[in-house]
Amino acid sequence: NAGVTQTPKFQVLKTGQSMTLQCAQDMNHNSMYWYRQDPGMGLRLIYYSASEGTTDKGEVPNGYNVSRLNKREFSLRLESAAPSQTSVYFCAIKAGFNSNQPQHFGDGTRLSIL
Amino acid sequence: SQELEQSPQSLIVQEGKNLTINCTSSKTLYGLYWYKQKYGEGLIFLMMLQKGGEEKSHEKITAKLDEKKQQSSLHITASQPSHAGIYLCGAPRTDYGGSQGNLIFGKGTKLSVKP
Repeated sequence: NAGVTQTPKFQVLKTGQSMTLQCAQDMNHNSMYWYRQDPGMGLRLIYYSASEGTTDKGEVPNGYNVSRLNKREFSLRLESAAPSQTSVYFCAIKAGFNSNQPQHFGDGTRLSIL
Repeated sequence: SQELEQSPQSLIVQEGKNLTINCTSSKTLYGLYWYKQKYGEGLIFLMMLQKGGEEKSHEKITAKLDEKKQQSSLHITASQPSHAGIYLCGAPRTDYGGSQGNLIFGKGTKLSVKP
């Protein structure tokens, strides 16, 4: 999807385990985003990075950390996974943070926490 | 707080029929984006609207933003099985820390098209 690669595509974890979700883009876009999608809740923003070197909390940041490793990569880390974090996670990119250009999404990571 | 409400939540239509999906905002829209999502896949960008009264079309899909910029509609003409999926509207967020670069999304409309 539009040059956004998410890994892994599926993952099952046990409660308390840690995990990092990876997102890489080949579009040279400045802004990157992490969302979670849950039934009945829609898409909710977890963290975002307006540009390389900056990260900010979104709507539901608790239990997560992020790293903008470079312009290409934005990772999401669950330090101690909880069943409430079972969800589908999407990474998105956009050319410029305050531009009106659309966000483009990866195919998602389906995460189950037992 | 800012909200986007989509209606209907789900829709089943016969192939060849027309349909409309609505997206209503609690606040003035400074842009409106329509996306389509197939099961197991990410969101695919369809169209972007910015000006009140604006209308855009792509193949058999037409999106409109009303003059007051608080409601958008997505209209599909002569639906086909390939139109099936979840349609989501998104808009720039204006109520969360002034982060206007971020989007808020509706909860989606699930469309099924019967052959």
